[in-house]
Amino acid sequence: SAVISQKPSRDICQRGTSLTIQCQVDSQVTMMFWYRQQPGQSLTLIATANQGSEATYESGFVIDKFPISRPNLTFSTLTVSNMSPEDSSIYLCSVIPGAGETQYFGPGTRLLVL
Amino acid sequence: GENVEQHPSTLSVQEGDSAVIKCTYSDSASNYFPWYKQELGKRPQLIIDIRSNVGEKKDQRIAVTLNKTAKHFSLHITETQPEDSAVYFCAAAIQGAQKLVFGQGTRLTINP
Repeated sequence: SAVISQKPSRDICQRGTSLTIQCQVDSQVTMMFWYRQQPGQSLTLIATANQGSEATYESGFVIDKFPISRPNLTFSTLTVSNMSPEDSSIYLCSVIPGAGETQYFGPGTRLLVL
Repeated sequence: GENVEQHPSTLSVQEGDSAVIKCTYSDSASNYFPWYKQELGKRPQLIIDIRSNVGEKKDQRIAVTLNKTAKHFSLHITETQPEDSAVYFCAAAIQGAQKLVFGQGTRLTINP
């Protein structure tokens, strides 16, 4: 497995602002992903963070709203742009440490938009 | 795309009894099926997974069965304990462990 940390752990933001969430892994990993978990709901994949290139977004998610960076094999950021109360969720990064292994999740970032 | 249905949404069992959670998937190309446990305020934790070349896998009190023909898989927890209380999520993926599609979750409560 891998040790995954996220910053911030939680935040309260005003509508119209943006928040950048960081995901740090203690070792180089093959794949990194970002998920959203709305209150009381399941997990939905936002995008795959590709090292050195543009992220691959799932249906319903766009780069302008959720820009993602992955400058190296241990770090990624997700920005939630021009936030509205509907963006209030837990945002989780996950990683696949090596070929054929499973996904492990970070602790999540709890976001409340007022 | 893949769609995963999970039932029941809530499950309450007496301590010591068994619990079963079922999931169905839509894409016959899916080949990886993990189960995650999420306690309140915590991250999802992998508890067991199965790949499409295996019909059953067991780890102590937890087992998962897979029926590829019917496109469903189930989580079985035996001798349940209070610490088993949590929300359980099933998932399916086509490309190994990538791009997981999750079920809606089952809130399991173990009554002492």
